[in-house]
Amino acid sequence: GAGVSQSPSNKVTEKGKDVELRCDPISGHTALYWYRQSLGQGLEFLIYFQGNSAPDKSGLPSDRFSAERTGGSVSTLTIQRTQQEDSAVYLCASSLVRGALGGYTFGSGTRLTVV
Amino acid sequence: DQQVKQNSPSLSVQEGRISILNCDYTNSMFDYFLWYKKYPAEGPTFLISISSIKDKNEDGRFTVFLNKSAKHLSLHIVPSQPGDSAVYFCAARNNAGNMLTFGGGTRLMVKP
Repeated sequence: GAGVSQSPSNKVTEKGKDVELRCDPISGHTALYWYRQSLGQGLEFLIYFQGNSAPDKSGLPSDRFSAERTGGSVSTLTIQRTQQEDSAVYLCASSLVRGALGGYTFGSGTRLTVV
Repeated sequence: DQQVKQNSPSLSVQEGRISILNCDYTNSMFDYFLWYKKYPAEGPTFLISISSIKDKNEDGRFTVFLNKSAKHLSLHIVPSQPGDSAVYFCAARNNAGNMLTFGGGTRLMVKP
């Protein structure tokens, strides 16, 4: 596609429920990143996928968070047993090669609200 | 421990004047620094970058300055336009080339 597509754009969920956030990167981009932005905060790195390599999960805040990337394309970020502190905008980005300067293209994000 | 900091959460500037956005970092191993611009309900978009071996990079109205000894960089926008009103994020790339670390952002408001 022309850009990075994320769905849903908004999600309201009850505390304790599981949620899945989807990211469709730009076709051909081998690197995919998940970040989140909590209210008034900067972008916090969560996880990074590069081709078929094992993902860098060093930014995931707890074991309730997981992500997968199927077929080197679409990625799903799953949050289990959501908590109120999980409320944030979750941003996905992709790039043609890892660390491409200026080459991170971000999606519009999914705004998650846990009530 | 914030490795990239933007100490000013907001900045207000008159149209036509210069906007200066500042960023400080602590990790001397970063190899590139970038500025992203974000409008509400949109993802950040790349604006300009600078290598750690340079001290200045200019692109039209946008200039980024890097002071390595002070671990400080700044983005200058001249002349500022109302359409520049957005949140600006400073980011630094690790020398493994696989991750950007972002600052907290500065909201720029350019008044007509």
